[in-house]
Amino acid sequence: DAGITQSPRYKITETGRQVTLMCHQTWSHSYMFWYRQDLGHGLRLIYYSAAADITDKGEVPDGYVVSRSKTENFPLTLESATRSQTSVYFCASSEALGTTSYEQYFGPGTRLTVT
Amino acid sequence: SQQGEEDPQALSIQEGENATMNCSYKTSINNLQWYRQNSGRGLVHLILIRSNEREKHSGRLRVTLDTSKKSSSLLITASRAADTASYFCATDPRTKGGSEKLVFGKGTKLTVNP
Repeated sequence: DAGITQSPRYKITETGRQVTLMCHQTWSHSYMFWYRQDLGHGLRLIYYSAAADITDKGEVPDGYVVSRSKTENFPLTLESATRSQTSVYFCASSEALGTTSYEQYFGPGTRLTVT
Repeated sequence: SQQGEEDPQALSIQEGENATMNCSYKTSINNLQWYRQNSGRGLVHLILIRSNEREKHSGRLRVTLDTSKKSSSLLITASRAADTASYFCATDPRTKGGSEKLVFGKGTKLTVNP
């Protein structure tokens, strides 16, 4: 299917476990982003990527790892999950020309619960 | 830290009425965007207004931007129950070397009662 997909949609894991959230887009957009959404905090940027093999930290990167070996995929890994990482995670993609942001296209989200 | 702050946090209106949401931000921007999020879903882009634009329309949506006051407003006219959602403003801060990152506010929760 065309668009941006995330998997799994729901995940329950235990404290200390490694978890990987997947994100796939079919538009060949250069930029991809990971956000977390928590009540009272809105949407916060975790990591982003300008192209394959280029990633950079966002506002709240601690405890997360990303990679981007292919343009279409941008997995997010929680190396050792903590309860504070219980959240809804959104992946997004966009084209960006020059130094200006353009509209972002969001996936449906992954609801992660860490027990 | 949040760049954009929406006001009000929550808004409840009757179907057919107009809904106005405001966004204030702190630094110079390249553009400002509005997004909608239905419950349990991802965000959907509504409209983008550049820093050199003052007003933009898209269907029942009207967005204004006042860079001197660092504020924007989103007006939804003739609201429908299907407009019930959270609305977020997102700013593209103008920084040295450029920025590809948007900074989102915390959103306004709009309820349109039938």
